[in-house]
Amino acid sequence: EVQLVESGGDLVKPGGSLKLSCAASGFTFSSYGMSWVRQTPDKRLEWVATISSGGSYTYYPDSVKGRFTISRDNAKNTLYLQMSSLKSEDTAMYYCARQDGSSPDAMDYWGQGTSVTVSS
Amino acid sequence: QIVLTQSPAIMSASPGEKVTMTCSASSSVSYMYWYQQKPGSSPRLLIYDTSNLASGVPVRFSGSGSGTSYSLTISRMEAEDAATYYCQQWSSYPPTFGAGTKLELK
Repeated sequence: EVQLVESGGDLVKPGGSLKLSCAASGFTFSSYGMSWVRQTPDKRLEWVATISSGGSYTYYPDSVKGRFTISRDNAKNTLYLQMSSLKSEDTAMYYCARQDGSSPDAMDYWGQGTSVTVSS
Repeated sequence: QIVLTQSPAIMSASPGEKVTMTCSASSSVSYMYWYQQKPGSSPRLLIYDTSNLASGVPVRFSGSGSGTSYSLTISRMEAEDAATYYCQQWSSYPPTFGAGTKLELK
């Protein structure tokens, strides 16, 4: 059974940093691209970052580029999101998601999410 | 970036009723993806590549469309289908989601 379990969410002050983790199991982690997607308090879904299966390629929207870094450790079956210079608008539930192997633009499995609140 | 506009924002349906919701893209996209989200749960992939059912999705769900106009249809509404539905495109970066259609049980 595919499982994605996020952790690391917390209350952090503006300008602060946080590192999220996503532990994967039930599939060959190193064969799949992975993404982070966040859901804001008004329930909008926003793509945050994507990393290729081997970790060589990463992609970000302008809203987080230069502040967030996605990475992965295929030996530990774990995905990461390092967030810095956090802003109030980064407050959201953060989900990790697997890119579908047969249709890579789809995200076929999602974790349960970890909550990040940026507030003073 | 491509903006996806979903309509209606909120709708209700009775058990057995046919349900159709739409997703309009600000520019042409090659494929559309649909997700279902119930309160307290994470999104679940329903439809990929516009019209293909994801694993385990009931056959009463279907997707169609092309270019800038896409739709998700439930042939016969069931109580468990009450949820919010999101469309998503990845034809160009950044991938974007619609604001969602909340489907309620009448």
